[in-house]
Amino acid sequence: DQQVKQNSPSLSVQEGRISILNCDYTNSMFDYFLWYKKYPAEGPTFLISISSIKDKNEDGRFTVFLNKSAKHLSLHIVPSQPGDSAVYFCAASGGGGSNYKLTFGKGTLLTVNP
Amino acid sequence: KAGVTQTPRYLIKTRGQQVTLSCSPISGHRSVSWYQQTPGQGLQFLFEYFSETQRNKGNFPGRFSGRQFSNSRSEMNVSTLELGDSALYLCASSFVGWETQYFGPGTRLLVL
Repeated sequence: DQQVKQNSPSLSVQEGRISILNCDYTNSMFDYFLWYKKYPAEGPTFLISISSIKDKNEDGRFTVFLNKSAKHLSLHIVPSQPGDSAVYFCAASGGGGSNYKLTFGKGTLLTVNP
Repeated sequence: KAGVTQTPRYLIKTRGQQVTLSCSPISGHRSVSWYQQTPGQGLQFLFEYFSETQRNKGNFPGRFSGRQFSNSRSEMNVSTLELGDSALYLCASSFVGWETQYFGPGTRLLVL
């Protein structure tokens, strides 16, 4: 079963506009969430994370929102730039304790058009 | 600070052979995780090591194994290679394992 879902395989936006990438999860034990960006033939690059005790975290143009009741998180990129074009992965972990792995969604390909 | 490094970057093997991949974590990181990325399955967790001990294992057959050395460097071994093992193998490191993991560039394995 897929515990982390990114239902949009792709998203296309214009340069300067907002990009919103969505992610849903089913495992209520997840308490730490991350977004990674990946270019072809490279490893994922960490972008931003959020702990379940918060509902928003901001870092420059990137903001992650967490809605625990809906088991939903989103990544907002404002303003979008052509260099943001990549595959974005949402990931979750069970936090401390015995869960030392990330569970990934299947990714969303973001294309930012000039 | 140097990032996570993986060697080799590319590898071609034939069915039935075995392969060993290497990962050097970020200095100070003691947790090393391995993931397999394929077009159909996405990024899937293989296993995680901390202080030379495997703490967590994904749903992969026993042909996939790993180890970690005292300097936190890790190796992953796949025996009796199958065509379906063709994938990008990614290594990630973190301080203690559950927090942000930083990935290496990956090893692209092609099994013919």
